[in-house]
Amino acid sequence: DTAVSQTPKYLVTQMGNDKSIKCEQNLGHDTMYWYKQDSKKFLKIMFSYNNKELIINETVPNRFSPKSPDKAHLNLHINSLELGDSAVYFCASSQAGLGNEQFFGPGTRLTVL
Amino acid sequence: DAKTTQPTSMDCAEGRAANLPCNHSTISGNEYVYWYRQIHSQGPQYIIHGLKNNETNEMASLIITEDRKSSTLILPHATLRDTAVYYCIVRVPGASSNYKLTFGKGTLLTVNP
Repeated sequence: DTAVSQTPKYLVTQMGNDKSIKCEQNLGHDTMYWYKQDSKKFLKIMFSYNNKELIINETVPNRFSPKSPDKAHLNLHINSLELGDSAVYFCASSQAGLGNEQFFGPGTRLTVL
Repeated sequence: DAKTTQPTSMDCAEGRAANLPCNHSTISGNEYVYWYRQIHSQGPQYIIHGLKNNETNEMASLIITEDRKSSTLILPHATLRDTAVYYCIVRVPGASSNYKLTFGKGTLLTVNP
């Protein structure tokens, strides 16, 4: 029944590793997003995809590569992890058009050691 | 997106109405007012949005002033579970250039027993 799900919920890894976070939505939405919330609790957009096409890339380092195999999935792959990547990452989805309210997943807490 | 100003924090007694203000004096004619909240350790949750008329749903009411330069989110009977950070966001929904939410610092509402 979960509308927007993310896996894993927690991710602890060493600097320099490569990791992926998966996101799936079962709401039939055509737009998906990745947001980052840092230690100071600021929530910031990273990427948005509409119908599997990249719409927004908010000056995110190219170590971050989103991949949307279909409209229901938007995965985030991160290469060469750095200490500053430690944060909570939220996936969200919405249906483009009037209203366009976004539904968020539970978040993935990434800790880079 | 128009800039918004919210108080950093507010307190409310359980069972009483919580009135959360937001100033958006530079709002343009086609921008809507959205409210989201984030309960600790969870993803943000959509609450309500409106253009110029007052809106009500099962969660809250939104009162927008006639000049649209400010608004108030009302939780009619606050409960302890309403303790969260509340974000006021103004944006044009569905615009192709606006596939994102720009979060400010929000208001930490603490509901006290």
